[in-house]
Amino acid sequence: AQSVSQHNHHVILSEAASLELGCNYSYGGTVNLFWYVQYPGQHLQLLLKYFSGDPLVKGIKGFEAEFIKSKFSFNLRKPSVQWSDTAEYFCAVISNRDDKIIFGKGTRLHILP
Amino acid sequence: EAGVAQSPRYKIIEKRQSVAFWCNPISGHATLYWYQQILGQGPKLLIQFQNNGVVDDSQLPKDRFSAERLKGVDSTLKIQPAKLEDSAVYLCASSLFSRALGDTQYFGPGTRLTVL
Repeated sequence: AQSVSQHNHHVILSEAASLELGCNYSYGGTVNLFWYVQYPGQHLQLLLKYFSGDPLVKGIKGFEAEFIKSKFSFNLRKPSVQWSDTAEYFCAVISNRDDKIIFGKGTRLHILP
Repeated sequence: EAGVAQSPRYKIIEKRQSVAFWCNPISGHATLYWYQQILGQGPKLLIQFQNNGVVDDSQLPKDRFSAERLKGVDSTLKIQPAKLEDSAVYLCASSLFSRALGDTQYFGPGTRLTVL
């Protein structure tokens, strides 16, 4: 069955540090890839998505992610985090095999002011 | 544009009681999804509707969970009777098209259910 792995369950960084959250998926066919964010007390929001084309995707609030097909990865990056980035981040994948979204378990990011 | 609406936001019940959740998707969205998110995990799809027809309910525990989408707009998810392990956040999402691939899902705020 298709699966999504997020390597870090809890990450703590200081403001201005660089961020990279790992995401790997198991399916090798056509995929759509997403990062969703859930700020404290708020609902899941789309951060960025990859459907096709340029594998480097830019999202809101300075986030970007790179789709590396050979590594089945879609890591999320931000060069300089802010306290307001404190949230839970979910990687998600849809494949053309079963056409349903599969989420990773999430990474809880805590930014120290 | 208005987002996905859900109610109630919180619900506490005792085991063996029944409960219902309501969702109003974004206007014009054909597809509606219900997810269960247990603490410490990502959302898991329970059921997917395209208009008012069920597309996928393979992960819905049908002995106790039921869902409907009347007139292809609002939807309700019911649990009867509830068990302790049903404690979770129930998320509703909607998307414009009928296929998940190539589309974006927009999520509501969720209903946090606690079963005592």
